[in-house]
Amino acid sequence: ETGVTQSPTHLIKTRGQQVTLRCSSQSGHNTVSWYQQALGQGPQFIFQYYREEENGRGNFPPRFSGLQFPNYSSELNVNALELDDSALYLCASSLARAETQYFGPGTRLLVL
Amino acid sequence: AQTVTQSQPEMSVQEAETVTLSCTYDTSESDYYLFWYKQPPSRQMILVIRQEAYKQQNATENRFSVNFQKAAKSFSLKISDSQLGDAAMYFCAYRSADNNNDMRFGAGTRLTVKP
Repeated sequence: ETGVTQSPTHLIKTRGQQVTLRCSSQSGHNTVSWYQQALGQGPQFIFQYYREEENGRGNFPPRFSGLQFPNYSSELNVNALELDDSALYLCASSLARAETQYFGPGTRLLVL
Repeated sequence: AQTVTQSQPEMSVQEAETVTLSCTYDTSESDYYLFWYKQPPSRQMILVIRQEAYKQQNATENRFSVNFQKAAKSFSLKISDSQLGDAAMYFCAYRSADNNNDMRFGAGTRLTVKP
């Protein structure tokens, strides 16, 4: 059974640019959640996708957007990057919306 | 809004000894789930243990057990026979049973295991 994978592992961007992060869910999981983890803090919920539809959103501006594909993999897009967007971005998948979430290794984003 | 508080930024334990990590939460809901996740330097968040609020019995997973006090809104993690591989950041998390998409995390406790 393949676990949750994320790409890329590291990324450096400059302020104002756009970035796309990718996540492949664990086999059989139809729900993907995205979290932002700033240095020294706990993860914060960005949004969740269930069967290709957004299923809830945290307190993040609209420049954070996402997609889920028919194979349940997902993308997180961030437009107009700001310095404060520098963080570890974690993706988690679950068998269904209410089930336990299993995390990927994360993508470290640095915005200069 | 639900909040999760971990009051111990850092903890230390001697190998083979027992350590307890504290977590409190604030909620007006009666049905919810609580989790402990471990995040080693590799960054991957690993599920340690899960507790359903409607279950009175405390969850256990091998050397890991919880003390769930619903009335006090407390959810501590006990690690017995600590091993060097237990060294990591530990996060306590809350998820509502109704709004089941938003998981709230505490700020974490860094656990050091001394040989």
